[in-house]
Amino acid sequence: EAQVTQNPRYLITVTGKKLTVTCSQNMNHEYMSWYRQDPGLGLRQIYYSMNVEVTDKGDVPEGYKVSRKEKRNFPLILESPSPNQTSLYFCASSLTGGRNSPLHFGNGTRLTVT
Amino acid sequence: AQKITQTQPGMFVQEKEAVTLDCTYDTSDPSYGLFWYKQPSSGEMIFLIYQGSYDQQNATEGRYSLNFQKARKSANLVISASQLGDSAMYFCAMREGPSGGYNKLIFGAGTRLAVHP
Repeated sequence: EAQVTQNPRYLITVTGKKLTVTCSQNMNHEYMSWYRQDPGLGLRQIYYSMNVEVTDKGDVPEGYKVSRKEKRNFPLILESPSPNQTSLYFCASSLTGGRNSPLHFGNGTRLTVT
Repeated sequence: AQKITQTQPGMFVQEKEAVTLDCTYDTSDPSYGLFWYKQPSSGEMIFLIYQGSYDQQNATEGRYSLNFQKARKSANLVISASQLGDSAMYFCAMREGPSGGYNKLIFGAGTRLAVHP
């Protein structure tokens, strides 16, 4: 089944403890992206990647890191999480970064930082 | 300025009835793509339907159709024969720019649809 898989689904952690949210897609998509969703602020892009070893900042990149060493994987790293990073996170991928390419989303990761 | 405007924060519809969710967009680029997504209470984001700016026909996918009025810059989602499982948040989104290269997906604020039995 074609899908974007992100793990974990739920994560509770403490301030400052490094964490990684994994994301993998099996559709051979070139483009991958991370979003966060917050009440009243909607969906905001954190980082995106046009292809292997090509990543760039989105609208809210501070406090996050990403890497794209393989086409299928695009992990999101929080080196020192803070409570304001409590959010619902989505990984997404599309065949290309072009206007006619729908983004397909993972099931989301609910992160709570205490 | 808002690129994507969804003016209905909440809507309700009776089961088996049709419902239209409004979306207007703002762009000066002649090349763009319009998308609708569904987010149930479980949280996942599900792609529903796509319409390209150069498409002559309105897009349809099963019970979903897109009423695309280019001159009015509107891309309303029509759900026919509503089902209880259609209760969810619905987002309109746009990617503008050439088909090659990078085009960010921009979302509207969403409309919450409740289907009543």
